[in-house]
Amino acid sequence: KQEVTQIPAALSVPEGENLVLNCSFTDSAIYNLQWFRQDPGKGLTSLLLIQSSQREQTSGRLNASLDKSSGRSTLYIAASQPGDSATYLCAVRPGTGANSKLTFGKGITLSVRP
Amino acid sequence: EAQVTQNPRYLITVTGKKLTVTCSQNMNHEYMSWYRQDPGLGLRQIYYSMNVEVTDKGDVPEGYKVSRKEKRNFPLILESPSPNQTSLYFCASRGGVGAFYGYTFGSGTRLTVV
Repeated sequence: KQEVTQIPAALSVPEGENLVLNCSFTDSAIYNLQWFRQDPGKGLTSLLLIQSSQREQTSGRLNASLDKSSGRSTLYIAASQPGDSATYLCAVRPGTGANSKLTFGKGITLSVRP
Repeated sequence: EAQVTQNPRYLITVTGKKLTVTCSQNMNHEYMSWYRQDPGLGLRQIYYSMNVEVTDKGDVPEGYKVSRKEKRNFPLILESPSPNQTSLYFCASRGGVGAFYGYTFGSGTRLTVV
């Protein structure tokens, strides 16, 4: 059974800092991995999707990497801003099964202090 | 704008009173799914649908029903809600089966059953 772990559960950093959010998963047989952002009580916004054949994806100040063999992904946020404060979830999609449902980590709640 | 739309956003109801949460997507996606999100438990899949008239159980289907009569709509039905169904619910869709395809989530429905 796939398990996704995100540690730490919460992180507080000063504005302007570059930071890395970690995600690990136990089964390397994945199709892709998605990083989502969730604001309190709100929906999930997809930030980046990395296919299993890719090593990284970039969007603006965000860069996500994937090391499938070691079961790890990182989300790098450059020059963090208070508006980046949110919960960040990673989710993996298995490479088998018609359902191919996402398995989520519990998320990392990020607070960026002005 | 490509999106998944859920209604209502907030709902307070009493135990046993049937309710329906609607979900609609405008991306012509075949795959749709419902998740619930609870503190400490993360996101768990309730039901999914591979296409019109094709639905199946996810990890936590007890107490829920779904239907898929049209491609764009995938309502979640609670025939007799109970307090343990108080949760944040998300509808999601996916455009295809390949690794290129990620999930698009709705804005969520906060349900409280008293």
